[in-house]
Amino acid sequence: QKEVEQNSGPLSVPEGAIASLNCTYSDRVSQSFFWYRQYSGKSPELIMSIYSNGDKEDGRFTAQLNKASQYVSLLIRDSQPSDSATYLCAVNMFPGGSYIPTFGRGTSLIVHP
Amino acid sequence: DAGVIQSPRHEVTEMGQEVTLRCKPISGHNSLFWYRQTMMRGLELLIYFNNNVPIDDSGMPEDRFSAKMPNASFSTLKIQPSEPRDSAVYFCASSPNTGSRPGELFFGEGSRLTVL
Repeated sequence: QKEVEQNSGPLSVPEGAIASLNCTYSDRVSQSFFWYRQYSGKSPELIMSIYSNGDKEDGRFTAQLNKASQYVSLLIRDSQPSDSATYLCAVNMFPGGSYIPTFGRGTSLIVHP
Repeated sequence: DAGVIQSPRHEVTEMGQEVTLRCKPISGHNSLFWYRQTMMRGLELLIYFNNNVPIDDSGMPEDRFSAKMPNASFSTLKIQPSEPRDSAVYFCASSPNTGSRPGELFFGEGSRLTVL
């Protein structure tokens, strides 16, 4: 069974709009949550980390975490064509006492001018 | 500061050959991870080390795959013998795993493996 679920997309938004990316996870004891951005042909790059319920803002990016619903999201305000990439949700899970960073399949975002 | 360094960046080999991928983590990071990425399966964790000790290798596909970390600044992932289905991009990542933001991963540029 998939442990970290994301809609594969593509999610297409116009330049300047808000892009909303969603992720659900199966392990209730997970404590650490991350969003990585991956451009085509490149490696994943960390853009946001969140550890407690609520919102965390960093520039145009806002991560939202709801542990009760096992849900984490990423909002990108004022989307730019340079934001076009695949966004990977990652959750640190604890299957046997040590944590395992587990990734979703990613959501492809296209920002069109 | 130097990031995670992987080599080779590209490898093309024939089925049955041995492949060795190399990784130098960021200095001071105590956790190292090997991932494999394909279109079909996404990013899969193969194995990870804490303080040079393998912690979880349940993602290693089969006995053809092996990984070592002889010291804090070097790790290898070996495939012997290689098969066409091993074709993928292999990423190495390291993590400081301490401080106020545990678990953040820093990825190398990846090694793209093609097995003919």
